[in-house]
Amino acid sequence: GNSVTQMEGPVTLSEEAFLTINCTYTATGYPSLFWYVQYPGEGLQLLLKATKADDKGSNKGFEATYRKETTSFHLEKGSVQVSDSAVYFCALGAFSGGYNKLIFGAGTRLAVHP
Amino acid sequence: NAGVTQTPKFRVLKTGQSMTLLCAQDMNHEYMYWYRQDPGMGLRLIHYSVGEGTTAKGEVPDGYNVSRLKKQNFLLGLESAAPSQTSVYFCASRLTSGSYNEQFFGPGTRLTVL
Repeated sequence: GNSVTQMEGPVTLSEEAFLTINCTYTATGYPSLFWYVQYPGEGLQLLLKATKADDKGSNKGFEATYRKETTSFHLEKGSVQVSDSAVYFCALGAFSGGYNKLIFGAGTRLAVHP
Repeated sequence: NAGVTQTPKFRVLKTGQSMTLLCAQDMNHEYMYWYRQDPGMGLRLIHYSVGEGTTAKGEVPDGYNVSRLKKQNFLLGLESAAPSQTSVYFCASRLTSGSYNEQFFGPGTRLTVL
């Protein structure tokens, strides 16, 4: 079946540190991959996506590369800011069980301190 | 564009009470979804709709009903609330099918069932 596994949080970093949040997936076929971000008290919003192998999604200094050989879509940022503190969800989009669905990981909370 | 809006933002119910959560979108999206978010479990799909007048079950539909009488609105009902339904509920919409299409999320409704 389809599933997404993310590294457990919380991840605590100092401002300007390098960020990696690991995400691996299991899927049949060729899913699309997404990173969503949830700021405190808000809904999820799309951060970036990749729709095929070797695609790199990027936005706001974050990036992730769709690696089919390792079934991974790790999120990285070179220098985090306090404003990046949020919960990050990796998700895959696939047709399964008769409909197009998004399957989410459990989320990784990031806390960035000045 | 307001995007996806949800009403109410917070609600406290007693066991056995009923309520309806309203989701509205002004993006002319065909697909709409209801999710629940629980700690450490990511988002789980409750019900979804692929167009006006249609509804279908997701992963965790028991105890919930939905209706999509108008394209822009998707209602989630709890007929007899239980403490296990304490959660944060998110509505989302998507323009069309296709696993590469992102979903747009509302700000959430925090429901507590005592």
